Amino acid sequence: NAGVTQTPKFRILKIGQSMTLQCTQDMNHNYMYWYRQDPGMGLKLIYYSVGAGITDKGEVPNGYNVSRSTTEDFPLRLELAAPSQTSVYFCASSEARTGVLGEQYFGPGTRLTVT
Amino acid sequence: TQLLEQSPQFLSIQEGENLTVYCNSSSVFSSLQWYRQEPGEGPVLLVTVVTGGEVKKLKRLTFQFGDARKDSSLHITAAQPGDTGLYLCAGGRLGTYKYIFGTGTRLKVLA
Repeated sequence: NAGVTQTPKFRILKIGQSMTLQCTQDMNHNYMYWYRQDPGMGLKLIYYSVGAGITDKGEVPNGYNVSRSTTEDFPLRLELAAPSQTSVYFCASSEARTGVLGEQYFGPGTRLTVT
Repeated sequence: TQLLEQSPQFLSIQEGENLTVYCNSSSVFSSLQWYRQEPGEGPVLLVTVVTGGEVKKLKRLTFQFGDARKDSSLHITAAQPGDTGLYLCAGGRLGTYKYIFGTGTRLKVLA
């Protein structure tokens, strides 16, 4: 199994450009998440999804959009990129469990620079 | 607002020393996890604790969930260079699907 895959690994955007970060998982997990991690910091939740067709905002959703048309894929869209969006982006998935956090499996990350 | 504060933020120690990392909150969590992240990679789960006062051991790592389920600690005995990395705690609440991550503790163990 590949687990969680993310593309691209690196990207440089100019201010105002748009792009989509791809995320795919092959573990049939219902829950998927997008986080950003600024240098030396913890993770901040951007958006999450509990199943195909269902998405919700996290702590820092402004400037981003998501969709979840299938169980496997959870792309993150950046519209009108700004320097504040320079960060490392991680996608994660977990299985549904009752009453307790499931283990999150993370992708390798996408390092994005906006100049 | 960061709901989970970790301390210390940075820690550099010699091989063989012991250390404790703390994860504190004013909020109650139904479960708490600890992850380790190495440079250029995503975090990897170390442990999940769910019961107040629970203690779990993973080789030289000991994890404890506070009695009130508002805090947790990670103790490493006889640290080794392979323990180097960013340690993150993450809390979750019943009825939600979101993980709240702590601020992180960056550990460096020198040979």
